Amino acid sequence: ETGVTQTPRHLVMGMTNKKSLKCEQHLGHNAMYWYKQSAKKPLELMFVYNFKEQTENNSVPSRFSPECPNSSHLFLHLHTLQPEDSALYLCASSQDTTVGLGAFGPGTRLTVL
Amino acid sequence: SQQGEEDPQALSIQEGENATMNCSYKTSINNLQWYRQNSGRGLVHLILIRSNEREKHSGRLRVTLDTSKKSSSLLITASRAADTASYFCATIVYNNNDMRFGAGTRLTVKP
Repeated sequence: ETGVTQTPRHLVMGMTNKKSLKCEQHLGHNAMYWYKQSAKKPLELMFVYNFKEQTENNSVPSRFSPECPNSSHLFLHLHTLQPEDSALYLCASSQDTTVGLGAFGPGTRLTVL
Repeated sequence: SQQGEEDPQALSIQEGENATMNCSYKTSINNLQWYRQNSGRGLVHLILIRSNEREKHSGRLRVTLDTSKKSSSLLITASRAADTASYFCATIVYNNNDMRFGAGTRLTVKP
């Protein structure tokens, strides 16, 4: 266990559905991240929150909407996704944004039909 | 855009042998990190090496950094079947907002 949990672990959704991914960390970290991992491609940074403030939006389509209500929780709201959005979505956290990534969650395997 | 590039893409060795994976990058960096990922799981942080360091050790892991060649290597000594995983390098130029991962090396250690 790394101290970062993600739910659900697996999600299958249609293109018209709305769903949310949840990430939670109890490490006392102040920065949280969403990464997308597609087959045979490098990890793609999607969003960064530092002290609950979004500091990075790496040109992510608006059908992905992050939310960070506090330093321990991070959500990724999904709406009108495309089949190419199918991937492993990884949440990570770190003490702050200068020290590298301290911990990753196990990921949510998302399949968009 | 991708910064680190690992080679080889895949490596298969026998248990007990050493495994060496390389990472090359394009721009000046603040630090470089290595991560491990077991199939379909999250990444585990292995080692961080700063731009002013040349070598770091952690157990059976040895990481080197050559900033003049913009390259790093990860050596796993006396490999075990449990070391089977994908290994990624990630570079940071300023902070985690610009952290970029390579595509990874898939290591298979045969018992």
